[in-house]
Amino acid sequence: EVQLVESGGGLVQPGGSLRLSCAASGFTFSSYWMTWVRQAPGKGLEWVANIHPDGSDKYYMDSVKGRFTISRDNARNSLYLQMNSLRVEDTAVYYCASDPTPGGGYWGQGTLVTVSS
Amino acid sequence: DIQMTQSPSTLSASVGDRVTITCRASQSISNWLAWYQQKPGKAPKLLIYTSSTLASGVPSRFSGSRSGTEFTLTINSLQPDDFATYYCQQYNSYSMFTFGPGTKVDIK
Repeated sequence: EVQLVESGGGLVQPGGSLRLSCAASGFTFSSYWMTWVRQAPGKGLEWVANIHPDGSDKYYMDSVKGRFTISRDNARNSLYLQMNSLRVEDTAVYYCASDPTPGGGYWGQGTLVTVSS
Repeated sequence: DIQMTQSPSTLSASVGDRVTITCRASQSISNWLAWYQQKPGKAPKLLIYTSSTLASGVPSRFSGSRSGTEFTLTINSLQPDDFATYYCQQYNSYSMFTFGPGTKVDIK
């Protein structure tokens, strides 16, 4: 059974940092591009970042460039999102997901990040 | 940047209806379009990828098509489990994915 399990969310003050993790199982993690997607309360889905299967290429949405870093550890079947200089507008449920390609398209259950003073 | 629009934003329908949702890309994305279903409090679920390929386990009443930069999700004979919000997503380039704003399908 395929599973993606996010962790690391919580309440943080503006300007603070959090590191999200996503543990993958049940599929060949190292073969897929991986993605972080977020959803603010009551809003739609918003792509955040992508990472190549071997970690060599990384892409970010404009508003998180320089603040967020996506990474992966294929030996541990894990994906990460380091979030620094957090803003109120970063408040959202953060999902990890695999590429929507054959054999992919899996999503985790999400982890809530709340940025508030 | 590629922009995605969806119409309608809300759709009221009855069980057994045929439902059509449209997604338009601001430029060519070839067939690199996926459709997701999301229910309240749950993660999105992949329905269709490469504009018309049904994901594993998805009922055959769901189908997708493409005409240029216009993409359509059709649900034949709407079932009670289908009331949800549907999103399109372009993945033409790994440098940027974009989601449509969503279409909520509710009970008439």
